Amino acid sequence: SQKIEQNSEALNIQEGKTATLTCNYTNYSPAYLQWYRQDPGRGPVFLLLIRENEKEKRKERLKVTFDTTLKQSLFHITASQPADSATYLCALGLRGSARQLTFGSGTQLTVLP
Amino acid sequence: SAVISQKPSRDICQRGTSLTIQCQVDSQVTMMFWYRQQPGQSLTLIATANQGSEATYESGFVIDKFPISRPNLTFSTLTVSNMSPEDSSIYLCSVGASGHSTFEQYFGPGTRLTVT
Repeated sequence: SQKIEQNSEALNIQEGKTATLTCNYTNYSPAYLQWYRQDPGRGPVFLLLIRENEKEKRKERLKVTFDTTLKQSLFHITASQPADSATYLCALGLRGSARQLTFGSGTQLTVLP
Repeated sequence: SAVISQKPSRDICQRGTSLTIQCQVDSQVTMMFWYRQQPGQSLTLIATANQGSEATYESGFVIDKFPISRPNLTFSTLTVSNMSPEDSSIYLCSVGASGHSTFEQYFGPGTRLTVT
């Protein structure tokens, strides 16, 4: 069956450390993968997109890797801040799906001061 | 990016009734999507709203239960019909970024629906 799994329901880290979030998928062949941030009571906000032929993408303190052999993406937030506390969602973009996204269950990140 | 608003932001409805949710975008967009997010869960795509034609529904969602309108390129509505408590959820609309090589989506703030 098809699955998208994100690591642990909640992740707590100390301010200043690097947060690493995992997205694993099974029985999908995504053309690209995206990461979104969702704050309570709000819609998701797009952060980064990485395509199947890309290994790594960076944006400011954010870094995403994509390993299509392992069927895994890692999302890193360096020098984390309490303001980074939110739920982070990975989403797969599938070929021929007219830009529809299939979302993972999300990881709730708390950065402790 | 696009700015998306939804109305209402929340509502409490009685079972058996229907609620229409509006989604307004500040620019013309081709792709509009409706999602459901049940408490503590991730987003599930309900349908893609197509301008000028019927919406395309995902498995498990039917037009009779979730009729969708898309009268123009900046507006769409989703109706939740004959509601039951299981329909209590957050309903979100999103739009696809324009451009052939951009695939991100921009989301509205959501409509929190409680069915009693």
